Amino acid sequence: KAGVTQTPRYLIKTRGQQVTLSCSPISGHRSVSWYQQTPGQGLQFLFEYFSETQRNKGNFPGRFSGRQFSNSRSEMNVSTLELGDSALYLCASSEAQANSPLHFGNGTRLTVT
Amino acid sequence: AQSVTQPDIHITVSEGASLELRCNYSYGATPYLFWYVQSPGQGLQLLLKYFSGDTLVQGIKGFEAEFKRSQSSFNLRKPSVHWSDAAEYFCAVGAGFGNEKLTFGTGTRLTIIP
Repeated sequence: KAGVTQTPRYLIKTRGQQVTLSCSPISGHRSVSWYQQTPGQGLQFLFEYFSETQRNKGNFPGRFSGRQFSNSRSEMNVSTLELGDSALYLCASSEAQANSPLHFGNGTRLTVT
Repeated sequence: AQSVTQPDIHITVSEGASLELRCNYSYGATPYLFWYVQSPGQGLQLLLKYFSGDTLVQGIKGFEAEFKRSQSSFNLRKPSVHWSDAAEYFCAVGAGFGNEKLTFGTGTRLTIIP
């Protein structure tokens, strides 16, 4: 099976702009989670979607949003970008069943200037 | 709230030497525990997981981890490291099925000396 695919791999945006990141989960996986990784804060949970519904949410401002489509693909959006949003954004998918771990993609590196 | 502590920020070992990376967790119920590895510029790769049962868990690449409830620990071990093991290692705890949120430790960077 193909792994979790994230596009694009790299993005450079300017403060105040918005950005959309895309994630295609492993075939058959219905849960998609998003994490932010920065040198200062480490890996932090953003949100999780299951069957097109947000099931869990981390402690991030409303500028961070996401959605999931009927084919389980997911997008996350960050509006009004700030310099501190520069990070590696990681998507993970799982079968959302007992004993099923998260499988991560290679991430999207976002740089805000 | 759940939390994970990886007390070693950076560890250096010689190729062929044994390795132990420490992980302590805080969680009110039986935890789901994971070790992930990240190479530069890459995502996280699952090394092994503990959900229940045998407290000694075998993973990929020759790694194993032991769950010790009394010590709230889940240390990662490898008997003989290879230069390709140089990477950052993350321990994580989760609530399990139905809750895909993981809490990660701050990571341990592993350097291998030839």
